[in-house]
Amino acid sequence: AQSVTQPDIHITVSEGASLELRCNYSYGATPYLFWYVQSPGQGLQLLLKYFSGDTLVQGIKGFEAEFKRSQSSFNLRKPSVHWSDAAEYFCAVGARTDKLIFGTGTRLQVFP
Amino acid sequence: GAVVSQHPSWVICKSGTSVKIECRSLDFQATTMFWYRQFPKQSLMLMATSNEGSKATYEQGVEKDKFLINHASLTLSTLTVTSAHPEDSSFYICSVSPSSYEQYFGPGTRLTVT
Repeated sequence: AQSVTQPDIHITVSEGASLELRCNYSYGATPYLFWYVQSPGQGLQLLLKYFSGDTLVQGIKGFEAEFKRSQSSFNLRKPSVHWSDAAEYFCAVGARTDKLIFGTGTRLQVFP
Repeated sequence: GAVVSQHPSWVICKSGTSVKIECRSLDFQATTMFWYRQFPKQSLMLMATSNEGSKATYEQGVEKDKFLINHASLTLSTLTVTSAHPEDSSFYICSVSPSSYEQYFGPGTRLTVT
């Protein structure tokens, strides 16, 4: 069965520090992978996606993610975090029927 | 991407009443929309896939008679929570899918049942 695991429930970083949010997936075929961000009380905004090709994908707000098939991972990174990046981050995998399967999310807290 | 709106953004209703939530695709004709439910500090759980002009497809465990979905046009899908109870209190989010697997989400509707 398809599944997405985000091992880190809560991460705290200082503003200006680098960030890596982990995502592991289980899927029988080539996955379509996504990272979304959700601010409190808001819907989800698409940060970036991977369908095929270059395994390092660039997204909005300075985020990037790298697809590693051998590790079944799609970790999200940002070299320098801003206070406005504090939010909930969800990794998702696209299933065959266009459905998205979401991970449990990682809450990012940024200290000044 | 696609722009999606939801109305209302927040609704409080009494137990036993019904509540309708609208999801509109503002710049894209959506033959398919998705409805999700999100409990506090939890992930999104797909409730149903709304198909324009046909019946919605519900996920296992979702009561179709309680969560009525109507997708009458290419820009509007509605979710009606019938005979709402406090346990139905949640954050309901819809999305549209302009192309395979890409989904763009609305801002969500917070339902509180008292």
